Amino acid sequence: EAAVTQSPRNKVAVTGGKVTLSCNQTNNHNNMYWYRQDTGHGLRLIHYSYGAGSTEKGDIPDGYKASRPSQENFSLILELATPSQTSVYFCASGDGLGGQNTLYFGAGTRLSVL
Amino acid sequence: AQSVTQPDARVTVSEGASLQLRCKYSYFGTPYLFWYVQYPRQGLQLLLKYYPGDPVVQGVNGFEAEFSKSNSSFHLRKASVHWSDWAVYFCAVSPWTNTGKLTFGDGTVLTVKP
Repeated sequence: EAAVTQSPRNKVAVTGGKVTLSCNQTNNHNNMYWYRQDTGHGLRLIHYSYGAGSTEKGDIPDGYKASRPSQENFSLILELATPSQTSVYFCASGDGLGGQNTLYFGAGTRLSVL
Repeated sequence: AQSVTQPDARVTVSEGASLQLRCKYSYFGTPYLFWYVQYPRQGLQLLLKYYPGDPVVQGVNGFEAEFSKSNSSFHLRKASVHWSDWAVYFCAVSPWTNTGKLTFGDGTVLTVKP
């Protein structure tokens, strides 16, 4: 069974502070993704990675950075958090190439920026 | 760019009744299509996926979906709904040239009446 673990599960941050969301996968998948989910909406892609050392911008990268130091770990960094970044963040790993890529999601991190 | 529309934000069905959740996609070319389910406070889980071929695909827990190129649709169906199907359902599209960059619809909340 695929395993994607996110930490923390809940986070309260102050405006202007730095926030790091962590993701670890034990599937040995090359691809990893960060999405955010806002109430009443689907998931939107922030950053993704094809492997250790690589990061790519997704559809809504502004205000976010990503880091992939190893095959297993993929972090999302908010250097200067803003209230508009209050959301639920999901990390996922992917098991294939092209459109056949099935994503395996973590349980999510609920972030509140006050 | 691809997009997904789920026209029904909420659907309520009685337990044991049949179910159809609608999904319309927009993509120039051959899409890969997915249905994911999200249970409360959890990440998304794959229900089924479509690759070019048989238009009817079977998924887990008795779910199936039918691809229609002429209607640009990928509707999800189940013959008999169980109370445990109460969840949010997301349709997603991925172009075959990209590595797992799924575009999600806004989701449909399924409520099951006893």
